[in-house]
Amino acid sequence: DAKTTQPNSMESNEEEPVHLPCNHSTISGTDYIHWYRQLPSQGPEYVIHGLTSNVNNRMASLAIAEDRKSSTLILHRATLRDAAVYYCILRERGVANAGKSTFGDGTTLTVKP
Amino acid sequence: DSGVTQTPKHLITATGQRVTLRCSPRSGDLSVYWYQQSLDQGLQFLIQYYNGEERAKGNILERFSAQQFPDLHSELNLSSLELGDSALYFCASSASVEKLFFGSGTQLSVL
Repeated sequence: DAKTTQPNSMESNEEEPVHLPCNHSTISGTDYIHWYRQLPSQGPEYVIHGLTSNVNNRMASLAIAEDRKSSTLILHRATLRDAAVYYCILRERGVANAGKSTFGDGTTLTVKP
Repeated sequence: DSGVTQTPKHLITATGQRVTLRCSPRSGDLSVYWYQQSLDQGLQFLIQYYNGEERAKGNILERFSAQQFPDLHSELNLSSLELGDSALYFCASSASVEKLFFGSGTQLSVL
C-alpha cells in the first residue's frame, strides 16, 4: 500500500482558512486521494476525494499537486465543529481492489475561538 | 447517519472468551471493511469483503475471522480474547471507490 504522511497536529483560529497537507510520494496512477475526518467518539466521516484535478464540495476543497505526490485539504473558514482528526488516505481504483484503504495517524486539528 | 449499522454498541467480556460483532452496510453497498481503533495504534485496517468474498487483508490476527453473508451483512468474530483486544471496532461500507461510510463502532472491553 502506498503510504501517506501528515503532520501530527495543527492549530487554527475560528473563521480563518486551514490548509492541511498530505504527502504521498509513492502514489500510483490508479490511486484516488481521499480525506476523512473523525470527531471524538464517532466513526470517520468522508470529506472529499480526487484523482488529478482540484475538487470542491460544500465541506472543503482539495488541491492536488501536478505530480500527485502531495495534496492539501482546505477548510475555507474553520469553525469549532471542524476540530477533529483529519486523515488522508489512498484508495485504489476499482471497487473490489479499493481494499486496504490504510489510514495513517492523521492530523489533529485544533480550532481556537 | 451514515446508513451503516453496527451492533452491539458496547460489549464487555472476559479474557479467553469469543464475541461476534455485526455490521449491516448501506443498502446496495457490496463492500464491507473492518477496522480496529485502539489508543496506541490508531485506525488499523483488518479485512475487506466484496459481495461475499474476501478481497483484502490487513493486520488481522489469526484469532479473528470475518465473513459476509448473502444479504451483505458482515460479522467479525474475535476469539480467545486478550486484554489488548480492547478497542473500538468500526465497520465501513462502500459502493464504489468514491466514499467509505463508517458505522458508529462497537466498543469492546476485555476484562
